[in-house]
Amino acid sequence: QKEVEQDPGPLSVPEGAIVSLNCTYSNSAFQYFMWYRQYSRKGPELLMYTYSSGNKEDGRFTAQVDKSSKYISLFIRDSQPSDSATYLCAMSGGGFKTIFGAGTRLFVKA
Amino acid sequence: NAGVTQTPKFQVLKTGQSMTLQCAQDMNHNSMYWYRQDPGMGLRLIYYSASEGTTDKGEVPNGYNVSRLNKREFSLRLESAAPSQTSVYFCASVNTRGDEKLFFGSGTQLSVL
Repeated sequence: QKEVEQDPGPLSVPEGAIVSLNCTYSNSAFQYFMWYRQYSRKGPELLMYTYSSGNKEDGRFTAQVDKSSKYISLFIRDSQPSDSATYLCAMSGGGFKTIFGAGTRLFVKA
Repeated sequence: NAGVTQTPKFQVLKTGQSMTLQCAQDMNHNSMYWYRQDPGMGLRLIYYSASEGTTDKGEVPNGYNVSRLNKREFSLRLESAAPSQTSVYFCASVNTRGDEKLFFGSGTQLSVL
């Protein structure tokens, strides 16, 4: 079993839809939870960063962490074609080894 | 405003050839990383350097060597390339331990024939 599980998709939604992306994990030592966005042929860029449990909102993006269920989510409101990318969840216990999910490919249709 | 710079962007090798992937960051970050990205596998850590003068193995170090040349530069060497090393390689850096925000380069697409 992988430490971090993420549905690879692809996920296709119409413009303006609410998108929900999720990851589950097995290591209870994880304290840092991140979402990276990766456009085609580019490097990942940090989108959201959360320490421990709770919610964090940044514009159209909301990250949620439920440590009791070992489940994290990223919500995108009013999705735009420019949101079409691969979204990678990532987690760390505070050392130097961040573990990444396989990534979910998202397509937002105009 | 370069951030993390990787060279080359593309490379094709024959089995058994060697090459070095170069990475430099201009953010004065202490820690640097090399990842590989394969379809369905996500990003896997090859080697990392917690600080200048130190290097450690990650999840998939076999077939690779690294050098932390100075605080800015961290290179990855393939001594004898194999088709299984066909992948996209990313260099990343982070300011310090406890700050888990990785900054990535744009990647090197490597094909080994």
